[in-house]
Amino acid sequence: GPKVLQIPSHQIIDMGQMVTLNCDPVSNHLYFYWYKQILGQQMEFLVNFYNGKVMEKSKLFKDQFSVERPDGSYFTLKIQPTALEDSAVYFCASSLPANSDYTFGSGTRLLVI
Amino acid sequence: AQSVTQPDARVTVSEGASLQLRCKYSYSATPYLFWYVQYPRQGLQLLLKYYSGDPVVQGVNSFEAEFSKSNSSFHLQKASVHWSDSAVYFCALSAQGSNAKLTFGKGTKLSVKS
Repeated sequence: GPKVLQIPSHQIIDMGQMVTLNCDPVSNHLYFYWYKQILGQQMEFLVNFYNGKVMEKSKLFKDQFSVERPDGSYFTLKIQPTALEDSAVYFCASSLPANSDYTFGSGTRLLVI
Repeated sequence: AQSVTQPDARVTVSEGASLQLRCKYSYSATPYLFWYVQYPRQGLQLLLKYYSGDPVVQGVNSFEAEFSKSNSSFHLQKASVHWSDSAVYFCALSAQGSNAKLTFGKGTKLSVKS
């Protein structure tokens, strides 16, 4: 079936540096999401995005986080600056409007050292 | 506030045995409910979902789940497990309506002994 691709699959970065996580959603999907999963814990909602705007964000979506999808390219999550507690697996998902069938990517494993 | 509780962090069963993975939810109205499976180093795959109607929903790979409003539960079941069912299973809910955020449980790691 259709897939959500996440690039890179792994990223190691020094604390304080900027990181951009990339998501290539399903081609006809219009809603996009980021979720965060700390090792051994449940996935937690960060943000959803539609029509160029953040629709809803959680308290985990700190001021250092931002999302965008310029010109229909990758849907990105940028963290600037990174902190140790940002180490986690970040999952991207997408869905059609008026639909709750989400397609998830395989995740980006981010390690901040 | 909405929450999902999966009381069993780990479940081990023998191949061919029946399986029930428990899920309880807390939500002020009737939610949409989902079960996802996660294999190592992969994303979540949808097993089944409940929106409304028949409380017993059928999913992929012979999984089914039963919604109980009175018990606020959505337990996942399978009559006969296979070793390839070993994975982590997540229960999740969202508000009714489209494109709402998902709230996940902590997951249950299923190990199937051959």
